[in-house]
Amino acid sequence: DAGITQSPRHKVTETGTPVTLRCHQTENHRYMYWYRQDPGHGLRLIHYSYGVKDTDKGEVSDGYSVSRSKTEDFLLTLESATSSQTSVYFCAIKNRVGTDTQYFGPGTRLTVL
Amino acid sequence: QKEVEQDPGPLSVPEGAIVSLNCTYSNSAFQYFMWYRQYSRKGPELLMYTYSSGNKEDGRFTAQVDKSSKYISLFIRDSQPSDSATYLCAMSANQAGTALIFGKGTTLSVSS
Repeated sequence: DAGITQSPRHKVTETGTPVTLRCHQTENHRYMYWYRQDPGHGLRLIHYSYGVKDTDKGEVSDGYSVSRSKTEDFLLTLESATSSQTSVYFCAIKNRVGTDTQYFGPGTRLTVL
Repeated sequence: QKEVEQDPGPLSVPEGAIVSLNCTYSNSAFQYFMWYRQYSRKGPELLMYTYSSGNKEDGRFTAQVDKSSKYISLFIRDSQPSDSATYLCAMSANQAGTALIFGKGTTLSVSS
């Protein structure tokens, strides 16, 4: 599992509340990613990080922010959750130098009511 | 046109069948091609990885890449009920930090 954990694994929240999801890795990987997975859309990149305090936007970044203050932790924040952000969120790391293979965490299932 | 197209299925086969899963893509810059397997309520798991064109075999799995046709395939021989999952193709242009571009996944069911 490439040493990736995500917390919480499940969360139900209400529209308008802030939510923070955490991705933690134990193997000192430089690149970390946040994806969301939705029926009919597949996996789509939200944000990624290429080092401590270095982040960039992905395809579906609106409504999300990220932070990486330590190599091992990559946080995804929904400042004011909306029902359209109900999804399964996956964190990933790029494991092998010189390739683009990525390894995924177990996911967080978020429901916004 | 989406960058990566993948038939969502579902695909149902009997145990022991040969399964063929396919993706087409439009970006000629893609160089790395991957297949992920995802069981229900789990994270995607890297199954096969291929650089550029050609074939790669790993046990019952064979990945093929035809860059001239912008077409990739995953073959599963002697399919087993444990192969029942969603299979996602993914690819990238190997630029530092870029994300993988995924197909939407094909759901496979292997019946015993």
